[in-house]
Amino acid sequence: DGGITQSPKYLFRKEGQNVTLSCEQNLNHDAMYWYRQDPGQGLRLIYYSQIVNDFQKGDIAEGYSVSREKKESFPLTVTSAQKNPTAFYLCASSMGGGGYAKNIQYFGAGTRLSVL
Amino acid sequence: AQKITQTQPGMFVQEKEAVTLDCTYDTSDPSYGLFWYKQPSSGEMIFLIYQGSYDQQNATEGRYSLNFQKARKSANLVISASQLGDSAMYFCAMRMDYNYGQNFVFGPGTRLSVLP
Repeated sequence: DGGITQSPKYLFRKEGQNVTLSCEQNLNHDAMYWYRQDPGQGLRLIYYSQIVNDFQKGDIAEGYSVSREKKESFPLTVTSAQKNPTAFYLCASSMGGGGYAKNIQYFGAGTRLSVL
Repeated sequence: AQKITQTQPGMFVQEKEAVTLDCTYDTSDPSYGLFWYKQPSSGEMIFLIYQGSYDQQNATEGRYSLNFQKARKSANLVISASQLGDSAMYFCAMRMDYNYGQNFVFGPGTRLSVLP
């Protein structure tokens, strides 16, 4: 089945530690995104990538880093510079290109990150 | 700046009744898309329905319909014949056609509870 796989489902980070969240898609989508969701709130964009080897900062990129070496994969690293990392992280992908239908974003099941 | 407003933090509906979730948006761009997503307690964001700003007819997808009033800048979601499984958070989102980053602006969400 086609879809977006995020792992792990739960992740714990120690002080000063970098952690990496995995996001893989087999939908052959060009564009991928990372969002952060805090309790009771909507989604905020961290990073997005429209094509392999290219990505742009979203609204809250500080303390995070990404890479896009393969079309299928868009891992997110939460660095020690992110002082308040506890949140729910969602990865999404879309076909890209023009037209609203093509720009529907499909989401993974999310990773819940907590600080020890 | 583009913005999505969802004024109902929580809504209750009786099973089998219809319910309307409100969404208003703010943009000066003439070309945009509007989307609704459902987020059950598991956390995954599920795409429900979209409407293009130039679409002449309101979008429908099964029990979901979008009441699009362009002059009022509103895009309310109507769920007919509510089911217990409809209990979830619902997010309205917008994307501008000329936003080459292809990212969405999300509203804060409405929590819908369906009562037996």
